[in-house]
Amino acid sequence: QQPVQSPQAVILREGEDAVINCSSSKALYSVHWYRQKHGEAPVFLMILLKGGEQKGHDKISASFNEKKQQSSLYLTASQLSYSGTYFCGTEVNAGNMLTFGGGTRLMVKP
Amino acid sequence: GAVVSQHPSRVICKSGTSVKIECRSLDFQATTMFWYRQFPKQSLMLMATSNEGSKATYEQGVEKDKFLINHASLTLSTLTVTSAHPEDSSFYICSANQGRFDQPQHFGDGTRLSIL
Repeated sequence: QQPVQSPQAVILREGEDAVINCSSSKALYSVHWYRQKHGEAPVFLMILLKGGEQKGHDKISASFNEKKQQSSLYLTASQLSYSGTYFCGTEVNAGNMLTFGGGTRLMVKP
Repeated sequence: GAVVSQHPSRVICKSGTSVKIECRSLDFQATTMFWYRQFPKQSLMLMATSNEGSKATYEQGVEKDKFLINHASLTLSTLTVTSAHPEDSSFYICSANQGRFDQPQHFGDGTRLSIL
């Protein structure tokens, strides 16, 4: 079953923050986050394994609450380059078959 | 870093044509590759899991006789859309990982297939 992402779309001004959520009805082994620009393949952002760790680089970070089967992606001080569609991909075991959420369209305006 | 190459990037052909898409892992061996399909403004939907040296595992609702997958080596998987029709027009993307549990899937650049 596909994980549920929210919000479906968000519009930001440059410099603003955003949070994208990913929720699954199944127990998860890992959550992967990707960003996709129009007409391009998804680009890997980060992977979170069960254990509740939080990861981040630059101004993008993520958390994974395995008890709630939820992950959140945090975008701080957004830049124009952050625009795109963000997908979470969930994995129920270590076989690495990902099931992707419906995506969150993010638009950052000047 | 790990790179997955996909070819061709775009195909336009007539209805009834069969189209082959190649997915290569360039600097690592991939015993498993994945094929996804993405319609406009929709998510990536897993079509099948390609296993080197054995038959592919297809997701429910995906016709295995229409979407032929061959994983002949540790670095190459191919997807052939047989007798393609306009409803098969989509963005097809392959991915592979390096076999470690903490490694991401690396995606190819995708193939945009347009059937006239």
